[in-house]
Amino acid sequence: QKEVEQDPGPLSVPEGAIVSLNCTYSNSAFQYFMWYRQYSRKGPELLMYTYSSGNKEDGRFTAQVDKSSKYISLFIRDSQPSDSATYLCAMSVDSNYQLIWGAGTKLIIKP
Amino acid sequence: NAGVTQTPKFRILKIGQSMTLQCTQDMNHNYMYWYRQDPGMGLKLIYYSVGAGITDKGEVPNGYNVSRSTTEDFPLRLELAAPSQTSVYFCASSRDAFSGNTIYFGEGSWLTVV
Repeated sequence: QKEVEQDPGPLSVPEGAIVSLNCTYSNSAFQYFMWYRQYSRKGPELLMYTYSSGNKEDGRFTAQVDKSSKYISLFIRDSQPSDSATYLCAMSVDSNYQLIWGAGTKLIIKP
Repeated sequence: NAGVTQTPKFRILKIGQSMTLQCTQDMNHNYMYWYRQDPGMGLKLIYYSVGAGITDKGEVPNGYNVSRSTTEDFPLRLELAAPSQTSVYFCASSRDAFSGNTIYFGEGSWLTVV
């Protein structure tokens, strides 16, 4: 079993839809949770960063952590074609520990 | 605003050849990393460095070597290339140790070993 599981997709939705992207994990010690966006043939870039449980909102993006279920989510409201990318989740035990990455979900927003 | 710069972008190697992937950053970050990314797999840490002259193995170091003679540069050396090293390689740097909120990635190097 992988330490972090993420559905590879692709997930295809129409423009304007609400998108839900998810990761599950097995290590209950994870406390730092991140979502990265990776455009085709580019390096990942940080999108959202959350410590411990709860929600965090930034514009159209909301990151949610449910530690009891070992489940994190990224919601995208009013999705745009420019949101088409691969979304990677990453997590770590503490700020001095290496990140463990999900395989990424490919998202396609159709105009 | 360069950030993390990797070269080459694309390379085809024959089995048994060697090569070096170059990486440089202009953000004065102490921490630098090399990751590989394979289809359907998460990023895997190959090597990392916490400062000039200090390097350490990550999760998948076999077949690779690194050096860190300056703060800016962190080259990755592939010795005796094998088909299993066909992958996309990303160099990254951060101000703090592994802090997910401060890691900056280069644009990647696509390597094919035939």
